[in-house]
Amino acid sequence: SQTIHQWPATLVQPVGSPLSLECTVEGTSNPNLYWYRQAAGRGLQLLFYSVGIGQISSEVPQNLSASRPQDRQFILSSKKLLLSDSGFYLCAWNRLAGLRLEQFFGPGTRLTVL
Amino acid sequence: DAKTTQPPSMDCAEGRAANLPCNHSTISGNEYVYWYRQIHSQGPQYIIHGLKNNETNEMASLIITEDRKSSTLILPHATLRDTAVYYCIVSSVSGGYQKVTFGTGTKLQVIP
Repeated sequence: SQTIHQWPATLVQPVGSPLSLECTVEGTSNPNLYWYRQAAGRGLQLLFYSVGIGQISSEVPQNLSASRPQDRQFILSSKKLLLSDSGFYLCAWNRLAGLRLEQFFGPGTRLTVL
Repeated sequence: DAKTTQPPSMDCAEGRAANLPCNHSTISGNEYVYWYRQIHSQGPQYIIHGLKNNETNEMASLIITEDRKSSTLILPHATLRDTAVYYCIVSSVSGGYQKVTFGTGTKLQVIP
């Protein structure tokens, strides 16, 4: 079965500090990978998606970046965090099952920037 | 940009059916309608999906209008554990890849 891991689960960081959130997927190969952010009381905002190693597409301009160094690893980074970066960060992957698109989410990382 | 519109919130009495509407007036012929829900501080959970026929599984039923411009998710007997944010999304599958974008969803509150 497929499993998606995210760490850390929670993180409190000062403004201006760097960030690295990691996501790994097990039980599948060549998945499409996604980073979403959910600010308090808001919907899920797509930040980045990746269709393969080294291939990253950004959905919104921001001070975050993403990288995919390995097939099943997706990393979200920042050089200097802003207060507005606080939120719940979700990693997801999807696959085709026939004509059905299945999307699976990780447990999330709750980031608080102070 | 989300392709769906949903009411921001709804209440439902415990044990009654919860009917959550979704408008997707710009849906194209090859796009499916998907429903997910997100319980507080967890990742979204898949509920059901459909193309043009009504669908039912152990969690819910999905009713899609004939013109496919709107749909309704039905939780037949809502429980307190169904309190969550429900997301309706539309997505097509082509070339083995599709970007999925979520809107703001409907916050369903099940009331005892």
